[in-house]
Amino acid sequence: AQSVSQHNHHVILSEAASLELGCNYSYGGTVNLFWYVQYPGQHLQLLLKYFSGDPLVKGIKGFEAEFIKSKFSFNLRKPSVQWSDTAEYFCAVLSSGTYKYIFGTGTRLKVLA
Amino acid sequence: DTGVSQDPRHKITKRGQNVTFRCDPISEHNRLYWYRQTLGQGPEFLTYFQNEAQLEKSRLLSDRFSAERPKGSFSTLEIQRTEQGDSAMYLCASSAGGDSYEQYFGPGTRLTVT
Repeated sequence: AQSVSQHNHHVILSEAASLELGCNYSYGGTVNLFWYVQYPGQHLQLLLKYFSGDPLVKGIKGFEAEFIKSKFSFNLRKPSVQWSDTAEYFCAVLSSGTYKYIFGTGTRLKVLA
Repeated sequence: DTGVSQDPRHKITKRGQNVTFRCDPISEHNRLYWYRQTLGQGPEFLTYFQNEAQLEKSRLLSDRFSAERPKGSFSTLEIQRTEQGDSAMYLCASSAGGDSYEQYFGPGTRLTVT
């Protein structure tokens, strides 16, 4: 069965630190990849997406992610986090031929001011 | 606000009761999805509609669960004879048709079964 793994469940960083959140998926075919963010008390919002082309994609609020096909990974990065980045981050995969997302378990990020 | 809306936002019910949730997608989005999220987990797919047709259902959707989208606009999710294990956040999302795969999520309905 297809699955998505997010190995970091809780991450605590100080402001200005760099961030990398891991996401690995198990599916050998064509995939579309997403990172969603859920700020406290808010609904899931799309941060960035990868469909094809340049494997380094840029999203909102200074986030970026790199698709490495050989490693089945789509890690999220941000060079310098802010207190307002405190949120839960979800990686999601959409495999070809379907419209349903498979989500990872999420990473709860806390940024200390 | 033209995003996805869900009603109610919170529902507390006693075990054995039936509950119904409503989702209004973004106008003109022809795909609508239901997910369930429990504490410490990511959302899990339940079912999706393209217009009024229910095209896929997860094995998580037991016989006690039914979803409809009668006119291809809003959708309802009904849970009959609720059990404590049904306690979760129920999320609705919508997406435009064609090659648009990006899903827009609503705020969710939090169900507590006592």
